Amino acid sequence: EDQVTQSPEALRLQEGESSSLNCSYTVSGLRGLFWYRQDPGKGPEFLFTLYSAGEEKEKERLKATLTKKESFLHITAPKPEDSATYLCAVQAISGGYQKVTFGTGTKLQVIP
Amino acid sequence: ETGVTQTPRHLVMGMTNKKSLKCEQHLGHNAMYWYKQSAKKPLELMFVYNFKEQTENNSVPSRFSPECPNSSHLFLHLHTLQPEDSALYLCASSHGIADTDTQYFGPGTRLTVL
Repeated sequence: EDQVTQSPEALRLQEGESSSLNCSYTVSGLRGLFWYRQDPGKGPEFLFTLYSAGEEKEKERLKATLTKKESFLHITAPKPEDSATYLCAVQAISGGYQKVTFGTGTKLQVIP
Repeated sequence: ETGVTQTPRHLVMGMTNKKSLKCEQHLGHNAMYWYKQSAKKPLELMFVYNFKEQTENNSVPSRFSPECPNSSHLFLHLHTLQPEDSALYLCASSHGIADTDTQYFGPGTRLTVL
């Protein structure tokens, strides 16, 4: 069974204090790994898709990396507006169809 | 309107009520999804539609009944719900159901069952 584990469950950072969020996964036939950002009371907002080990993608203060067992979301010099829950999801093919498995998320709070 | 929209944004219903959730996507996508999001739990996929045909039903109780009249609209009909069904219900869409298709989410409907 596909599994996605995110850590830490919650993270509190001072503004400007860089850190990383972890997403470890177990999946048969990984097709892609997604990172989403979710603000309270809203739907997840797509950030990145990574397809193969060694791939990296960047967007403003965020950088996502992928290995064969895990992905990291690095946050450089975060600002209070980066506060949100960050979700990781893996995509595989099951029975000929796309199957997406989500983690429980890391709740990030950036303090001014 | 752009992206994926959902109505209503909030819904409170009794266990004997019948209500429907609506989702509309303006992205030209062919696949649509219903997810349930409960506190401290990962998103749970409920239903998948591709070109209006249901391709997946993840053992969802029959008190949840989906309907997809066309590729742009998706409904979730609710009846005789239980308090444990209270959650955020999210709709998503993607170009297709291939292994490279990204899902885009709506804002969700916060459902409370009394």
